[in-house]
Amino acid sequence: AQSVTQLGSHVSVSEGALVLLRCNYSSSVPPYLFWYVQYPNQGLQLLLKYTTGATLVKGINGFEAEFKKSETSFHLTKPSAHMSDAAEYFCAVSETSYDKVIFGPGTSLSVIP
Amino acid sequence: EAQVTQNPRYLITVTGKKLTVTCSQNMNHEYMSWYRQDPGLGLRQIYYSMNVEVTDKGDVPEGYKVSRKEKRNFPLILESPSPNQTSLYFCASSSAPGRNTDTQYFGPGTRLTVL
Repeated sequence: AQSVTQLGSHVSVSEGALVLLRCNYSSSVPPYLFWYVQYPNQGLQLLLKYTTGATLVKGINGFEAEFKKSETSFHLTKPSAHMSDAAEYFCAVSETSYDKVIFGPGTSLSVIP
Repeated sequence: EAQVTQNPRYLITVTGKKLTVTCSQNMNHEYMSWYRQDPGLGLRQIYYSMNVEVTDKGDVPEGYKVSRKEKRNFPLILESPSPNQTSLYFCASSSAPGRNTDTQYFGPGTRLTVL
């Protein structure tokens, strides 16, 4: 069965510092991987996703994630945190592009001025 | 404007009273899905649909039904709602889930309370 773990339910970074949100997955087949963001009291937004091809995926708002099969990881990074990045971030996995999606528990990102 | 709409946005109902939450998209997307979000349990997928008349169960389908008679609409039906279905519900659509460049659009959410 697929599963997703996100290390750190809450992460704090200083404004301008590197953002690193960790995601590890379990899947019996090559996975499809996603990062979603939910800003305070708002809906959901897809940040980026990996399906096939290049393992470094660039998303919106300066975020990117790298698929590392050997480490079963898909960590999300951003070189320089902005106050507007404060939000809840969810990693998710799917076995195919048309399959059910399993979410991680989420990581709340705080950005300190 | 590309959008996914959900109605109602807020609903308070009682146990056992059938209800439908509508979801509609104006982008001619093939793929649509429903999610629920609960404190402490995070996000979970309920049902998804790859195209008209093609639906499949997500992670937590129990107590829900869906239909996809038209490409633009994907209603979520609670035949006999129970208090454990109190949640925040999101509908979403996308055109090509298999492509890295595909964008998924979410509805604004429906906050359901079942008393």
